[in-house]
Amino acid sequence: AQSVSQHNHHVILSEAASLELGCNYSYGGTVNLFWYVQYPGQHLQLLLKYFSGDPLVKGIKGFEAEFIKSKFSFNLRKPSVQWSDTAEYFCAVNLYGGSQGNLIFGKGTKLSVKP
Amino acid sequence: DAGITQSPRHKVTETGTPVTLRCHQTENHRYMYWYRQDPGHGLRLIHYSYGVKDTDKGEVSDGYSVSRSKTEDFLLTLESATSSQTSVYFCAISDGTSGSYEQFFGPGTRLTVL
Repeated sequence: AQSVSQHNHHVILSEAASLELGCNYSYGGTVNLFWYVQYPGQHLQLLLKYFSGDPLVKGIKGFEAEFIKSKFSFNLRKPSVQWSDTAEYFCAVNLYGGSQGNLIFGKGTKLSVKP
Repeated sequence: DAGITQSPRHKVTETGTPVTLRCHQTENHRYMYWYRQDPGHGLRLIHYSYGVKDTDKGEVSDGYSVSRSKTEDFLLTLESATSSQTSVYFCAISDGTSGSYEQFFGPGTRLTVL
């Protein structure tokens, strides 16, 4: 079965540190890729998405992600984190042409940023 | 934010009682989804709908049923709640017209089954 792996369960950083969260998926076909963020006590919000074209995607709040097809990866990056980035981050994959647009989510990475 | 509301936002119930959660959208999106979120499991799809009266099972559908009689409403029913169904439930919608299947999420319902 297709799956999405997020390698880090909990990441702790100091403000201004750089961030990279890993995401790998297991599917050989065309995919749409997403990163969602969930701030404490809130619902999921879309950070960025990749459908086609430039594999380097820029999202909101200074986040970006790079799609590397050969590695089945879609890692999330931010050059300098802020305390307000403390949240849980979810990678998700839609298998192009898959069942009714269903997304497969990773288990999430909790980011804690120390002021 | 997409026009999605969920009701109730919080509910405490007892084992064996039926529970219905409601998701209401004002976006006229075709697709609607119910997820549960549990620590260490991320989001898992319970059921989804691809049109009025068109629904299908997701990854963790046992113990749940759904109905969609109108485009804007998607109901999730726990026929006989169990403690293992204590969770946060999120509804999501997608229009699918762009082919992207980007999903927008509701605020969630925290359900506690005692």
